[in-house]
Formats: sequence, C-alpha cells, structure tokens
Amino acid sequence: GENVEQHPSTLSVQEGDSAVIKCTYSDSASNYFPWYKQELGKGPQLIIDIRSNVGEKKDQRIAVTLNKTAKHFSLHITETQPEDSAVYFCAASGGAGGTSYGKLTFGQGTILTVHP
Amino acid sequence: NAGVMQNPRHLVRRRGQEARLRCSPMKGHSHVYWYRQLPEEGLKFMVYLQKENIIDESGMPKERFSAEFPKEGPSILRIQQVVRGDSAAYFCASSPLSGYNEQFFGPGTRLTVL
Repeated sequence: GENVEQHPSTLSVQEGDSAVIKCTYSDSASNYFPWYKQELGKGPQLIIDIRSNVGEKKDQRIAVTLNKTAKHFSLHITETQPEDSAVYFCAASGGAGGTSYGKLTFGQGTILTVHP
Repeated sequence: NAGVMQNPRHLVRRRGQEARLRCSPMKGHSHVYWYRQLPEEGLKFMVYLQKENIIDESGMPKERFSAEFPKEGPSILRIQQVVRGDSAAYFCASSPLSGYNEQFFGPGTRLTVL
C-alpha cells in the first residue's frame, strides 16, 4: 500500500519568513495530493491540493509543488504569520491498482510554530 | 451550508462498554470516510462508505469495530467492548464524489476509555 513520509516533524520560523514542508510517497499510481492544517482540538482543514497533471499550484501565500518522477511534493508558505502556527499534514490518494476511490494516506505531520 | 457534523465531540467510556460515534456529511455529499488519530500521530484510514454500502474497510480492526451509513440518517462508527487502546480522536470526512476529490473533515469525536 501507499506510504507517505513527511519532514520535518517540527519547524520554527520567525514571522515573515518562509516555511517549507516536504513529503515523499511510494505508490506511483497516486494522483491526488492534499495538504491539511489542523489547529489544536479541531479537525483537519483542507488548505490546498494538487493533482498529478499539474506541477505547481499557488493560492495567495501558499503554494504546492509536485515532482512525480521523484515522487515528492512540498508545501511552501511565504510571509508567515503567527496564525499559521498549527500542525500540517500532507496526504496522497488514488493508488491501489487504479481503483479510483479517495482513501487518503497521511504523513506524520509537521508542527509549525511562527514566532512574532 | 453546514459542514461535516460529528457528535458527540467528547465521549468517555469505561472498558467493556460500547462507543457509538455519529457523522452527518455535508449536504449533497454521499461518500463518508472515517479516520483515527492517535495522540501525536497522523490520521489513519479506517473505512469508506457510500449510502448503504461499505466500499473499503481495510483499515478497520477485524473485531469490535463496525460502521454503517444508512439510507436515512448519519453514518455510525461503533466500537464494542472498548479497551484503553481505543482512546483516540475519530474523524469523519465527506466528499461529493468518489476518486480524487476533496474530503472535508468534521471536528472529530475524542474518545477516552477509562
């Protein structure tokens, strides 16, 4: 089955700096790669996603890049703000021998802390 | 448009009791997924359901756990004879379609087994 590795496990930055979180996946059939933000005591919130036919996607201060050959994708947050502090999870789906259902396999999470 | 709703938000059970977790998907969504999050870990897939059908239960323990999504009403995740290792946050997500589509998560049910 799919395996997703996420690094780093913790990331501390100063307000205004950029933050980068990286994930690798094992199943070359995976086609969908979402990123979720989880605040304490809440459910994961979808912040951006990318599909395999696209190499990069941007939404204001957030961008995601995908390298299918290397099987890795990254989340980039620019001009970080204290409210960006949360746990971020990457995920992958779409493998399983071509079965087109949306079971998500998650990375282990990155605790991002943005210091004012 | 209300999001995914889960209740109860917190549930305390003693060992051996049953836990019943409910999930109402977003309006118009007919696909429901359940995930479990152990303390300080990522989310692990448990089961995927459509109305009246279990599509994939490969992540669900073979014993004590069951799930349903009836034609009417919320999806239910049932854990019988709970043990301390069942203590976790259980999240439900819904999607309008199968395949590579966005899943929207509820706030979760935090189960504590005493």
